[in-house]
Amino acid sequence: DGGITQSPKYLFRKEGQNVTLSCEQNLNHDAMYWYRQDPGQGLRLIYYSQIVNDFQKGDIAEGYSVSREKKESFPLTVTSAQKNPTAFYLCASSTAGGSPIYEQYFGPGTRLTVT
Amino acid sequence: GQQVMQIPQYQHVQEGEDFTTYCNSSTTLSNIQWYKQRPGGHPVFLIQLVKSGEVKKQKRLTFQFGEAKKNSSLHITATQTTDVGTYFCAGRSIGGGATNKLIFGTGTLLAVQP
Repeated sequence: DGGITQSPKYLFRKEGQNVTLSCEQNLNHDAMYWYRQDPGQGLRLIYYSQIVNDFQKGDIAEGYSVSREKKESFPLTVTSAQKNPTAFYLCASSTAGGSPIYEQYFGPGTRLTVT
Repeated sequence: GQQVMQIPQYQHVQEGEDFTTYCNSSTTLSNIQWYKQRPGGHPVFLIQLVKSGEVKKQKRLTFQFGEAKKNSSLHITATQTTDVGTYFCAGRSIGGGATNKLIFGTGTLLAVQP
């Protein structure tokens, strides 16, 4: 069964703590993405990676960090420097550039609450 | 930077009524995609449009890509309760290089009253 998994579904943390969100895909996709969604708002790109060991900042990368050591995995760390970390975090993957249709496949998301 | 706006933000309709959401980009797009996100769920790909003026249909859903490739619309005929959710457009800028990075629109939340 191919797809993207994110864990955990719900995460609670105290302010000042770093937290890492997991994202794994078995679709053999080269590209992976992290988005943040706030209530009533669209998806904002945090980081993306086109290939292993390479990643690029998106529109709202401040306070976040990522790694891409394996093709299947793209974990996101929400650091204590992120001023408003409470949000719904979505991971996605797609084929890399050059494909005629490169829809993004999304994981179920992680809802992070920081108090 | 590039922005993609959608209107309306929210639409409430009676079941059986039609619904349209409009998507406008500040820059020319190489293509546009549409996604649906059910309440509490994650976005799911619906369709991709590439050509200027392209129109595609999926059952009761009709998608259009503008002639200038800066706007798009999604029209649902005779809405059903299963259509409830947020509809997002997402575009890839012509100057986007070799990446598949998309800019997502602000979304339109559709509520359907039975």
